[in-house]
Amino acid sequence: DTGVSQDPRHKITKRGQNVTFRCDPISEHNRLYWYRQTLGQGPEFLTYFQNEAQLEKSRLLSDRFSAERPKGSFSTLEIQRTEQGDSAMYLCASKGDSYTEAFFGQGTRLTVV
Amino acid sequence: GIQVEQSPPDLILQEGANSTLRCNFSDSVNNLQWFHQNPWGQLINLFYIPSGTKQNGRLSATTVATERYSLLYISSSQTTDSGVYFCAARPHGSGNTGKLIFGQGTTLQVKP
Repeated sequence: DTGVSQDPRHKITKRGQNVTFRCDPISEHNRLYWYRQTLGQGPEFLTYFQNEAQLEKSRLLSDRFSAERPKGSFSTLEIQRTEQGDSAMYLCASKGDSYTEAFFGQGTRLTVV
Repeated sequence: GIQVEQSPPDLILQEGANSTLRCNFSDSVNNLQWFHQNPWGQLINLFYIPSGTKQNGRLSATTVATERYSLLYISSSQTTDSGVYFCAARPHGSGNTGKLIFGQGTTLQVKP
């Protein structure tokens, strides 16, 4: 069991650039979640996939954010025209069904300069 | 939406001491998890505990769902226990998404 894997671990980008993060969930998990964590805060829910279907999006997910899970396996989170306020840790989690525990990846720490 | 509150926000202990971290939630929940966030940012699963009591080594947790709180006990603390502890709840009736609502965390520092 390789756990939830995220890539890259760290990303520094200039304001206005686009960035893309990848998440590989635990292989048998059909539910995948993205969260964002800013300094000193708990993680906040961004979006949820069941298999390839994106079933819920938080109001935190502005139009500059898009997430995909094309084949129901890995997922990508893209941020267009990054802003300094996008600097945060982006966490991915997966679970097998609604009533089981969620497992998190190592996160991608984004710094926008 | 549901509010999840953790207390205390910060805690400093001497190695070997015991501690209790509290998590209150404002509405009914279907599940509750405790995590330890390591210095590199990864959330490490401690307990999945919608109700009842569980123990794992020096750690134990109790959730009283009817009274809307959960407690995490750390006994004989070690310096490696330092870090941020989060509780996270899945609200009852949140549809079938299973998303978690996190508290603000308790930052624990264990001094040698």
